[in-house]
Amino acid sequence: DARVTQTPRDKVTEMGQEVTMRCQPILGHNTVFWYRQTMKQGLELLAYFRNRAPLDDSGMPKDRFSAEMPDATLATLKIQPSEPRDSAVYFCASGSGQGADTEAFFGQGTRLTVV
Amino acid sequence: GDSVTQMEGPVTLSEEAFLTINCTYTATGYPSLFWYVQYPGEGLQLLLKATKADDKGSNKGFEATYRKETTSFHLEKGSVQVSDSAVYFCALCSASKIIFGSGTRLSIRP
Repeated sequence: DARVTQTPRDKVTEMGQEVTMRCQPILGHNTVFWYRQTMKQGLELLAYFRNRAPLDDSGMPKDRFSAEMPDATLATLKIQPSEPRDSAVYFCASGSGQGADTEAFFGQGTRLTVV
Repeated sequence: GDSVTQMEGPVTLSEEAFLTINCTYTATGYPSLFWYVQYPGEGLQLLLKATKADDKGSNKGFEATYRKETTSFHLEKGSVQVSDSAVYFCALCSASKIIFGSGTRLSIRP
């Protein structure tokens, strides 16, 4: 049963600490998305990659957030330094296809709490 | 830029009632349209999709028709069940970028 795997599921950290969230996309999928979900803003697209290359990271605060794909089986989202307003659920999704014919499969999310 | 607007919730219905959740979109080009569902504590799951005008997506009794003339993709179900209680998201995909609406929380009373 192919699925997107995210770790950790929950993370509580102190303000100013570095946070790294990891995602293993479904094998063979060539597109990876990072979303942030909050009650106030809903589901925001932070960044997405195609064939490991970043296509758009305009939704991401560049001064503290970074997203990478070191290889085809791993995507990472880092926050340094973290702030309380970063508290949210972060979802990774992967997909295949091209253009409008891309369907996203979601992981279960990482719930981040910054205190 | 591209965007998706869906009706605000929460929506509360009795079991076996008819459901409509409205969704409209703004996009350049010809996007694909989706409905996703999110159950508590889980990620989003694809419910149905349509890739071109007049296509009807359907799954588990839910339906939505891609209406280009009204730029809409309303979700409908003829008879809802308690197990349909969840948050529903309308989304569009254009140039591999998937954008979601704000979500509509649906609660079904027994």
